Amino acid sequence: KQEVTQIPAALSVPEGENLVLNCSFTDSAIYNLQWFRQDPGKGLTSLLLIQSSQREQTSGRLNASLDKSSGRSTLYIAASQPGDSATYLCAVRLPQVNFGNEKLTFGTGTRLTIIP
Amino acid sequence: DAGVIQSPRHEVTEMGQEVTLRCKPISGHDYLFWYRQTMMRGLELLIYFNNNVPIDDSGMPEDRFSAKMPNASFSTLKIQPSEPRDSAVYFCASSLIPGTLGGVFFGEGSRLTVL
Repeated sequence: KQEVTQIPAALSVPEGENLVLNCSFTDSAIYNLQWFRQDPGKGLTSLLLIQSSQREQTSGRLNASLDKSSGRSTLYIAASQPGDSATYLCAVRLPQVNFGNEKLTFGTGTRLTIIP
Repeated sequence: DAGVIQSPRHEVTEMGQEVTLRCKPISGHDYLFWYRQTMMRGLELLIYFNNNVPIDDSGMPEDRFSAKMPNASFSTLKIQPSEPRDSAVYFCASSLIPGTLGGVFFGEGSRLTVL
């Protein structure tokens, strides 16, 4: 059974600092990995999607990397801003035995607070 | 596209009442997922559909929960009878088939409180 873990559960950093969020998964046979952001009381917003054949994806100040063999992904946020405060979740999509059958397994999330 | 649309956004009901949550996926998406989020358990997959057919309902907690997808643009999650432990935020999500830009898109969620 795939398990996805995010450490730390909570992180506070001063504004302007660069930071890294971690995600690890137990089954390396993933189809893709997705990073989401969730603001309090809101739904999940997709940030970056990395296919299993890719090593990284970038969007603005965000960079996500994937090391499938070691079961790890990181989300790098450059020059953090108070508006980056949110919970960040990673999720892996495993291809099931039959093509077309898929699930998304979520990590436990990291609650990020950027201190002005 | 308006994204995944869920209703109601908030529901407060009494124990024993029937609850129906609704979802309209993004047009053209082949997959629809129902998730439940609580502080204790995080995000849990309840059930998902592919082309309107339920594929995996192993996450549905018990027989009180049922989900349907009568057509490609509408799905319901029903709880009957509801219990206080069902209080949670229920998310609907949709995505395209594999091999395409297969990101998953979430609705804003339906916050359910059972008294």
